[in-house]
Amino acid sequence: DTGVSQDPRHKITKRGQNVTFRCDPISEHNRLYWYRQTLGQGPEFLTYFQNEAQLEKSRLLSDRFSAERPKGSFSTLEIQRTEQGDSAMYLCASSLGLSGYTFGSGTRLTVV
Amino acid sequence: AQRVTQPEKLLSVFKGAPVELKCNYSYSGSPELFWYVQYSRQRLQLLLRHISRESIKGFTADLNKGETSFHLKKPFAQEEDSAMYYCALSGDPGGYQKVTFGTGTKLQVIP
Repeated sequence: DTGVSQDPRHKITKRGQNVTFRCDPISEHNRLYWYRQTLGQGPEFLTYFQNEAQLEKSRLLSDRFSAERPKGSFSTLEIQRTEQGDSAMYLCASSLGLSGYTFGSGTRLTVV
Repeated sequence: AQRVTQPEKLLSVFKGAPVELKCNYSYSGSPELFWYVQYSRQRLQLLLRHISRESIKGFTADLNKGETSFHLKKPFAQEEDSAMYYCALSGDPGGYQKVTFGTGTKLQVIP
């Protein structure tokens, strides 16, 4: 297990297109989190899962955003009808117990 | 609501000088506090958490509930400490739920 993996690393898309990102957490971690980070800001919470259940969603997560974790393993984050304001780094993290988060390298989204 | 404030965007110190990265928080209960670090071209990683009362890479942080602060300190800065540092807070005792991050402080250690 090489840690938290995110795919793709970079995504450039035209405004109005849909995009989907994938996150593979550390296999024994039951909690998975999505964050968004823009330039000059810290990571902002989007949503988190315990196993396959989505337990909390931020108000940042508009109706165009949806996240799933179908079997309690990998997760996907989909953004529909992308807007330029969606351009950001999307970070995934996982955790188990009191170990704190383990972050992935992130997916950098650019909407043109 | 939980909020984390890091007042300094950039902190420059000379190698061997003491370092203090400031962090203040706002939370009505008993928070769990963390420091995360991001070195150049690396992913964000946990540096330390207050509940562990540990020292990592020479860094320590003490929770001051009266001043609602969790400043990160190191007595002698090293060049390899240059990085982005984020203070973070969780309202959940196990740190399981959402963690709120500050805006970060870039530490630059001058040789």
